Amino acid sequence: GESVGLHLPTLSVQEGDNSIINCAYSNSASDYFIWYKQESGKGPQFIIDIRSNMDKRQGQRVTVLLNKTVKHLSLQIAATQPGDSAVYFCAENMRGSGSGSARQLTFGSGTQLTVLP
Amino acid sequence: KAGVTQTPRYLIKTRGQQVTLSCSPISGHRSVSWYQQTPGQGLQFLFEYFSETQRNKGNFPGRFSGRQFSNSRSEMNVSTLELGDSALYLCASSGGNQETQYFGPGTRLLVL
Repeated sequence: GESVGLHLPTLSVQEGDNSIINCAYSNSASDYFIWYKQESGKGPQFIIDIRSNMDKRQGQRVTVLLNKTVKHLSLQIAATQPGDSAVYFCAENMRGSGSGSARQLTFGSGTQLTVLP
Repeated sequence: KAGVTQTPRYLIKTRGQQVTLSCSPISGHRSVSWYQQTPGQGLQFLFEYFSETQRNKGNFPGRFSGRQFSNSRSEMNVSTLELGDSALYLCASSGGNQETQYFGPGTRLLVL
């Protein structure tokens, strides 16, 4: 099956610095990607998404970049805050093998972001 | 608008038992997906329901099943529990033309 991978399992940054979390994917036909944040004891929380017809998308303090040539995407968090400490997942929102337009998420293994005071 | 809710939040069962987990999607969302999260395997797709029909299924044994009701609420059932079924079970809903899936807090299942 297709896989979505993350470059680093852990990332530590100083409060106020920018964070960059990377993700690689293998399916060149993938057209929709989502970044989720998961805090301890909670379900994944939607951060930002991007479709393959875009190279960049910005949200509040977050930016996702998509490089289809090398099948790589990244999540940039500006001015990282203690509340940003969590595990971050990239997910490929792909059409499954079932009927209709059903999609399923294929997740990477996650990057643990720790914000240092 | 209320988010995705899951009940119960925590559950302890013994091997061989069966369990039913419940998920209420965001109001108006008709698609409900289930995922299993374990430290070893990460987040894995179980199945997806839309309008009471299973449209998509992941690579899990038949002991894992689900259903969806006319109000879009969904349940998943695991029969003949094994120790390896201990996990966080997550439900996600999506709706309309948006395909973004929004997750609930999960049900943490411990099988002893």
